[in-house]
Amino acid sequence: KAGVTQTPRYLIKTRGQQVTLSCSPISGHRSVSWYQQTPGQGLQFLFEYFSETQRNKGNFPGRFSGRQFSNSRSEMNVSTLELGDSALYLCASSSYQGGEQYFGPGTRLTVT
Amino acid sequence: LAKTTQPISMDSYEGQEVNITCSHNNIATNDYITWYQQFPSQGPRFIIQGYKTKVTNEVASLFIPADRKSSTLSLPRVSLSDTAVYYCLVGSRNSGNTPLVFGKGTRLSVIA
Repeated sequence: KAGVTQTPRYLIKTRGQQVTLSCSPISGHRSVSWYQQTPGQGLQFLFEYFSETQRNKGNFPGRFSGRQFSNSRSEMNVSTLELGDSALYLCASSSYQGGEQYFGPGTRLTVT
Repeated sequence: LAKTTQPISMDSYEGQEVNITCSHNNIATNDYITWYQQFPSQGPRFIIQGYKTKVTNEVASLFIPADRKSSTLSLPRVSLSDTAVYYCLVGSRNSGNTPLVFGKGTRLSVIA
């Protein structure tokens, strides 16, 4: 069974721009969660989607948004990028809410 | 939301058994304990999950005392490739409004 895939793997953006990251969960998994990982803050939960509905949301500003499609694929968008948004963005899928999460390799976003 | 406390770092020699303890004093009745492993620039990988007593799989054992206020991840005969950060998480299998929260984790360094 193929694992969680994330695209792109690396991204360089300029402050003020917006970015969209994509995540394809493991086949059959309906829950997708997004995390931001930085050296200073560690792994921080962004949001979780289940059956196209946002079920949980972390403590991030409204510039961070996401969505899930009917095939469970998910995208997250960050608008008006700031230098502090530079991070590894991880997507995880699970077969049910709160279940064992299987993480993708992440997207390394650098904001200059 | 149950908070977890783990040692920041641990060192071990190859071939030894490593025990990492996690404290979760406010664990709720519905909460499970899950451990993840993360290598640099990769997403965390699920290791083991348990509710009470002892759980064992091919890579680790998880010991949970009767009061469930702590848990111990046991890695038998570690090798250099076990050098990673280990996260203890507490959450409900049907999380509803309670997302999984990653703490700072324990950085395990295995020495030859």
